[in-house]
This record gives sequence, structure tokens and C-alpha cells, in this order.
Amino acid sequence: ETGVTQSPTHLIKTRGQQVTLRCSSQSGHNTVSWYQQALGQGPQFIFQYYREEENGRGNFPPRFSGLQFPNYSSELNVNALELDDSALYLCASGNRVDYGYTFGSGTRLTVV
Amino acid sequence: EDQVTQSPEALRLQEGESSSLNCSYTVSGLRGLFWYRQDPGKGPEFLFTLYSAGEEKEKERLKATLTKKESFLHITAPKPEDSATYLCAVQAREDSWGKLQFGAGTQVVVTP
Repeated sequence: ETGVTQSPTHLIKTRGQQVTLRCSSQSGHNTVSWYQQALGQGPQFIFQYYREEENGRGNFPPRFSGLQFPNYSSELNVNALELDDSALYLCASGNRVDYGYTFGSGTRLTVV
Repeated sequence: EDQVTQSPEALRLQEGESSSLNCSYTVSGLRGLFWYRQDPGKGPEFLFTLYSAGEEKEKERLKATLTKKESFLHITAPKPEDSATYLCAVQAREDSWGKLQFGAGTQVVVTP
């Protein structure tokens, strides 16, 4: 097992800019989910990808978008950044066979 | 609407002082209830999944139980290394497979 890795670990962006966050899923996991965690709160579900297609979305606007690649790595893209987008962004990968979810260490995004 | 409430928000324990954390939930058909541990600046680390009322799972000093409305995480004779935020999450049968709804967590501090 290689675990879930995310990059970068920290990022500072200016309001209005665009950002791309990356995630490399755990070997054998074909589902990836993205979460946003504000300080002092639990993670909030953004969306999920299964076999390169989005098949579940939380209450986030369309400026949050994603991609999953054939090697099960994925990206989270956020356009027109707002101050409230400052948070820890977590990627989680899973496999419907063993029904486990493994989280990465996250990307800390600060919007100024 | 599905809801997850954790209590207390924070808990300070002496080493060896056992206690319990509560997770109350309302969900339209529970697929699974998850417990995670999160250290500062890190992603959540999977502890347990419970699927049906009456189920119990144990791991070292931790034991999780489930009823139809709540789950408890019992910490027996805690050590300082058990200090962390403990997160509870539910997955509804109607939701996409990767979507978890989290509570805000209980921050546990264990002092020597």
C-alpha cells in the first residue's frame, strides 16, 4: 500500500484566482472523494469520482470542479477563489470491495 | 435532512481516566457509521465502521458501539498518545458511495 498523497501541502492564493490541487489515490482504489474542512469543523463532502466520472456532489457551486485520471489520480479545481474557500482540502480514496476510506494529509489553502 | 452531532466538543482527561464520546445521528437509512481520529494538520485516520444496531468493535484502548440513534466511542485507560480530535461520520444508503457526512468532532486531550 502506498497511501493517499496530496500536493501541494500548503498554498496561498489571491481572491479571484484559480487553483488546482492534486491527489494520488491508494493502489487498488477506484473511487476518490474530495472534502473541504474549515477550522474547527468536520470535513464537508465536495464530490466523488468513480471510473473518471463524477457520480455524487455536495452543496458546492460549479466553480468547484474535478477530474479523475485512468491511473486513479485526481484533481480538484477551484475558480474565482473567495476568502471563505480558505480551508484544508482532503482527498479520500476507497474501494467498494473492502469498504474503506483512506484520507490524505490534505492541502491547506489560504485565500488572501 | 441528515445530521450528525458530537458531544462533548472538548474533553480533557488524566492518563488512565476512562470516558466516552457521543455521536447522535439522524439519517434516512444508515449504510454505515464511521469513526476517525485526526491529529492536528493531518487527514483523518480510519478507526472503525459499524453497520447495524448492536454492533461493537474494538481496537486497543478504543471501543465503538452503535444503536439506532447514536454511537459511542469508549476510551479505556487513555494515554497521552490518544490525544486527538475524534470524528464521527455517517453514510446514507441513498447517497453516493464516497459521501460521508461528518460531525464537528470531539477534541480529546490526555495529560500525564
